Amino acid sequence: EAQVTQNPRYLITVTGKKLTVTCSQNMNHEYMSWYRQDPGLGLRQIYYSMNVEVTDKGDVPEGYKVSRKEKRNFPLILESPSPNQTSLYFCASSPRQTSQPQHFGDGTRLSIL
Amino acid sequence: AQSVTQPDIHITVSEGASLELRCNYSYGATPYLFWYVQSPGQGLQLLLKYFSGDTLVQGIKGFEAEFKRSQSSFNLRKPSVHWSDAAEYFCAVGALYGNKLVFGAGTILRVKS
Repeated sequence: EAQVTQNPRYLITVTGKKLTVTCSQNMNHEYMSWYRQDPGLGLRQIYYSMNVEVTDKGDVPEGYKVSRKEKRNFPLILESPSPNQTSLYFCASSPRQTSQPQHFGDGTRLSIL
Repeated sequence: AQSVTQPDIHITVSEGASLELRCNYSYGATPYLFWYVQSPGQGLQLLLKYFSGDTLVQGIKGFEAEFKRSQSSFNLRKPSVHWSDAAEYFCAVGALYGNKLVFGAGTILRVKS
C-alpha cells in the first residue's frame, strides 16, 4: 500500500529540547515536503526536497532543519523548539511533476510548552 | 504573488442539500488546481485536480469542480451532501514543475440533519 508515514503522531515537549519528526514514503517519489497547518492559515510549506541531497526552503523555514540522505526519508528537525512551533505538521511526497498529486501523511501534532 | 482565497471559513448545509465551496486563486503561470479534504484527525485526501482540458472535473465521493479562468476560480460542488462529508476542505494551486502547493485557509463544512 502506498504510504507516507510520520512519527510520532503526537508529541508534547518543552522549549529548547531538540526533536525530530520522521517521514518515510514507500512510493519511490523524488519530491518530498513538510507543511505546518495552523487555524485560519491553511498549510504552509516549511522545506522541500527535489531529490536526495537536494533541499530548499519553503515559506516558513525559520527554526527548522531537514535532511535527505535517502530517497524514502525526509526528517524534520527542530533544534531548539519554541512555543510558536506548536502546530500540526504534515509530510507529503510526489513524483517529480505536480501533475501527480501529493500524498500526505496523517500528521504530527506537536505541542511545545 | 501566488495566493489562494477561500472566502468562507465555515459553511453549514442540511443533509441532502447542494453544496458549493468557493476558491479564488492568484497565480502568475498556468495554474494546476486541487481540492483536498481533511477529516478530523486525518491527513489530506485528494478529491480532484485540474490541469487542462475540460473545465468541469469530476472527483471522488460525488464531488466536482469547475475551472473558470476569467474569474480565477475553481469552485467545488456536490449536488447532495451526506453527513459523512463534514470535514475541512482545502483548495490548492501549483505549477507543473516545482511541486510547491499553495493552500487556501480552508473551509469547514458542517452538515446538519
